[in-house]
Amino acid sequence: QKEVEQNSGPLSVPEGAIASLNCTYSDRVSQSFFWYRQYSGKSPELIMSIYSNGDKEDGRFTAQLNKASQYVSLLIRDSQPSDSATYLCAVGPGGTASKLTFGTGTRLQVTL
Amino acid sequence: DAGVIQSPRHEVTEMGQEVTLRCKPISGHNSLFWYRQTMMRGLELLIYFNNNVPIDDSGMPEDRFSAKMPNASFSTLKIQPSEPRDSAVYFCASSSNRLAWGTGELFFGEGSRLTVL
Repeated sequence: QKEVEQNSGPLSVPEGAIASLNCTYSDRVSQSFFWYRQYSGKSPELIMSIYSNGDKEDGRFTAQLNKASQYVSLLIRDSQPSDSATYLCAVGPGGTASKLTFGTGTRLQVTL
Repeated sequence: DAGVIQSPRHEVTEMGQEVTLRCKPISGHNSLFWYRQTMMRGLELLIYFNNNVPIDDSGMPEDRFSAKMPNASFSTLKIQPSEPRDSAVYFCASSSNRLAWGTGELFFGEGSRLTVL
């Protein structure tokens, strides 16, 4: 059983729309949650982190966490073609430990 | 500031050959991670070091894989002998966990794409 699950996509949304990316995890003691963006042929880069239940907003990005449901999501408002990439959900134990488990990613396509 | 530096960027080798991948973490970071990425399995953690000491190597697939970190600024991942199923992109990442509550942010190198024929 995979520890971090994501729909592989592709998720296709028109420019200007809201893209919603979802992730579930199996380890109930997980305390840190991250969204990484990976462009084709490039390395992952961090775009959002969240540690507490609820929403966290940063510009056009909003991360949502529900620990009871073991669910984390990423909303991208006003989607742009430059947002087209694979989005990786990562889950960790929190604290000073940085051992992250990654999902296989959701490929997002923003169409003109 | 320089990011995580990996070499080589691309490696093509024949089955049975030894492969050595190299990584220089970001200066001041005390944790280093080796990940492998494939289409089928995504990003898999192979091993990570904290303060140059291997903490968890449970992700290393088998004895053909070994990793070292002789000092804070250098690490190697070695595959001997290599097999076609080892073909993947190998990422090195570093982070700092000196804070009381680590951010957990990993900074990735550009990766080493390995093809074993």
